[in-house]
Amino acid sequence: GQSLEQPSEVTAVEGAIVQINCTYQTSGFYGLSWYQQHDGGAPTFLSYNGLDGLEETGRFSSFLSRSDSYGYLLLQELQMKDSASYFCAVRDRGRQAGTALIFGKGTTLSVSS
Amino acid sequence: NAGVTQTPKFQVLKTGQSMTLQCAQDMNHEYMSWYRQDPGMGLRLIHYSVGAGITDQGEVPNGYNVSRSTTEDFPLRLLSAAPSQTSVYFCASGTQGIEAFFGQGTRLTVV
Repeated sequence: GQSLEQPSEVTAVEGAIVQINCTYQTSGFYGLSWYQQHDGGAPTFLSYNGLDGLEETGRFSSFLSRSDSYGYLLLQELQMKDSASYFCAVRDRGRQAGTALIFGKGTTLSVSS
Repeated sequence: NAGVTQTPKFQVLKTGQSMTLQCAQDMNHEYMSWYRQDPGMGLRLIHYSVGAGITDQGEVPNGYNVSRSTTEDFPLRLLSAAPSQTSVYFCASGTQGIEAFFGQGTRLTVV
């Protein structure tokens, strides 16, 4: 089976840096993704790591270590609009066909002024 | 392009009723999936499809059926609704690669 662990809540102030960790257990592994979801909205894609190392996209960076089954999302120069839920997701081997995208339970980030 | 379109946005069902949640995408994606989201539980995969005619079960498939007769459409059927199926349902599509695109969700209440 699969399992993904991430903290349930994180709080920070505007301008700060926050790191959201994700550890995973899967039967196969084809990459780690991060998604953002604002209250009442749909999840939207933030970043993807298929290989070890750091990927940077503007204020957001994501890191993966396949040997440690671990990754993190780094948010810099936090803004109030970054208050949202953040999900890590792994693409795992499907039961019978292809691959399946499995999500963690999410981390609620609250940014205060 | 509309992206991923889900209908309806809201639905109230009585226990035992059946219904179909519709999902359509216009991006020619091979991969489509259905998730349910409950408070504190994240997004749980119900069923997914890797192409027309090919479907597979996810983490929580019981009580739901799917079929994929075309690349564009991936409906989710509830055969006999139960209060435990009260949830927000999201359809997503992608290319089995990096990014999944989500519809706006269907808020279902079973009374």
